[in-house]
Amino acid sequence: GQQVMQIPQYQHVQEGEDFTTYCNSSTTLSNIQWYKQRPGGHPVFLIQLVKSGEVKKQKRLTFQFGEAKKNSSLHITATQTTDVGTYFCAVYGTASKLTFGTGTRLQVTL
Amino acid sequence: EAGVAQSPRYKIIEKRQSVAFWCNPISGHATLYWYQQILGQGPKLLIQFQNNGVVDDSQLPKDRFSAERLKGVDSTLKIQPAKLEDSAVYLCASSPRTSGFDEQFFGPGTRLTVL
Repeated sequence: GQQVMQIPQYQHVQEGEDFTTYCNSSTTLSNIQWYKQRPGGHPVFLIQLVKSGEVKKQKRLTFQFGEAKKNSSLHITATQTTDVGTYFCAVYGTASKLTFGTGTRLQVTL
Repeated sequence: EAGVAQSPRYKIIEKRQSVAFWCNPISGHATLYWYQQILGQGPKLLIQFQNNGVVDDSQLPKDRFSAERLKGVDSTLKIQPAKLEDSAVYLCASSPRTSGFDEQFFGPGTRLTVL
C-alpha cells in the first residue's frame, strides 16, 4: 500500500525560530493533505495540494508540493507556542483511502 | 455546524472483554471512517463506509473487530475479545462526498486501555 515517510520525527525549537517538516514518497502522489494534531487532541485538516510545484500559504505556514509530486514540505515561520503539536501529511490512494505519514512532533519553548 | 461526535471518550477494560464505540458523523456526510491511532503513530484506517456500504476494511482485524453503519448515519465499532495491543485511540472521521480528495473531519476519539 501507499507509504509516506516524514522527517524529522521530532523537533524542539525556541519560540521565534523557523520549523520545517518533510514528507517523502517513493511513488508519484495525486494529492497530499496536511493535518495538525494538538497533544491530546484529534487531527485537524490544514490544507490540500494537488498540482506539481504548488505552493500555498496560511499566515505563517507555507506548504509546498514537489515538482515530481513525490514530496511535500510544511514550513512555519517564527514559531509560537500555539504551534505545538504533531504535523501529519496524508495521501489518498486507491479506493479513496487516506494514508497518514509517520508525523513530526513539534515542541516550542519560550 | 456540529462536529463529529464520539462516545465514550475513555474506556478501560480487561483483556478478553468486549467493548463498543459509537460515532455520529457530521450531518449529510456520506463517508465515514474509523481509525486506530497507537501512541506516537499516525492514524491507521480500519474501515471506510460510503453511506451504509463498506468501501475498504482491508486493515480491520476481522476475527475480533466488527463495524456497522446502520441507515448510513451513525456507526458502531466493536472489539470482541480485546487484546492488550488494542490499547489505542479510536478516531471516527467523516467527509462530505463519496469520491475525490475530501478533507476529513475527525471526532475527539475514544481512548481505550486494555489491562
